[in-house]
Order: sequence, then C-alpha cells, then structure tokens
Amino acid sequence: GQQLNQSPQSMFIQEGEDVSMNCTSSSIFNTWLWYKQDPGEGPVLLIALYKAGELTSNGRLTAQFGITRKDSFLNISASIPSDVGIYFCAGQLRGNEKLTFGTGTRLTIIP
Amino acid sequence: DAGITQSPRHKVTETGTPVTLRCHQTENHRYMYWYRQDPGHGLRLIHYSYGVKDTDKGEVSDGYSVSRSKTEDFLLTLESATSSQTSVYFCAISESFVYEQYFGPGTRLTVT
Repeated sequence: GQQLNQSPQSMFIQEGEDVSMNCTSSSIFNTWLWYKQDPGEGPVLLIALYKAGELTSNGRLTAQFGITRKDSFLNISASIPSDVGIYFCAGQLRGNEKLTFGTGTRLTIIP
Repeated sequence: DAGITQSPRHKVTETGTPVTLRCHQTENHRYMYWYRQDPGHGLRLIHYSYGVKDTDKGEVSDGYSVSRSKTEDFLLTLESATSSQTSVYFCAISESFVYEQYFGPGTRLTVT
C-alpha cells in the first residue's frame, strides 16, 4: 500500500526546545491530519489541513500542508513534559478515499 | 473528547476461539472504522461502515467481519482468532468519509 515516510522516527529534546517533524510521500494528498498518541490511549486529532500551502495552529502546535501536496510539517514550540508521546501524520490520497497513516515520531523530553 | 467507548479494553483468548469487539459512539456520526495498530506498520484499516448495515473492507480485512445494526454500535468479529491477530484495535468515527476521524481508547487483544 501507499507509504507515508515520517521523520524523524524518534526525538530526544530538552524542555523548552522547539520541535519539527515531517511526513513525505511520492504521491499527492488531498488532506493531511496530525495526531498525538499517549501510551495506552487512542490517537487524538491535533490539526487538520485541507489546502496546499495551508498553515494552521493549535496553541503551541503549527502544521503546514506542503505546496507540492506531497508533504506536511508539524512544529511544536517551547516543548513541555506533556508533549511526550507519539505523533502520527495521516493523509488522504487524491483518488483514494481511505486514510494512510505514517509510522510515527516518538518524542521524548530529557530532564 | 468525542464520545467513543470500546469494550473490552483488554482480552486474552486462545487460538481458534471467536472474539467480538464492540465500539459504541454517542456522537451520531455516520462513519465508523476499525483499525489495528502494530509496531512498524502504523494504523491499518480493517473495515469501515458508512451507515446502518452498510460496510466495506479495508486493507487488512482477511479473518475479520463486522456488523452495524445501530448507528451507535460497530462490532468487529474474529471468527477464529489466530496469533497474527494479536494487536491493539482502535475504533474511529467521522461525520463524513475520511474527514477528521476521532479515535476510541483501544482494545488490546492477545491471542495465545
């Protein structure tokens, strides 16, 4: 099936640092969604993007729908301990209705 | 938080036994989905429903069946569980297809 390449796979940062992660594909997507998952829980929707070039914020989180429609980016500013978790991107391919999920970026905050 | 519950939250069963997982929503959303989550694979769609008694297959539907007799309930059945079906299963809902899916808390299933 279609693959979404999510990077980095893991990140180790200090509290207060900014975080950047991305999701790329060789195919064009209509929709990008970003989720966060805490251990033992289901993914929680953070941001949804529907237009190429769109930049959307949710508190300290900002996500962008890449102009080429083949990538998306998520930034977290001034990280705090509760940001720890796994972040997933998901996209809807043009011409294919079902969501495709990335394999996640695991964020760890070093004391 | 979207009103989605899954039951049971944890289950251990033996190979060859039937298993049914339940997803219940209070949001009156039309679309419901079952995913499985395994290390290295991300979330993969098993089956989905677009209305009462209307269902379709996802990318990993072999060995699974679903039923939706009411808007609020979506059942996933493993007719004869196998060890390869050990996984965490998530239910999701959305108002329209694909658009902003909201996930339940998950069911951890172990098949021994």
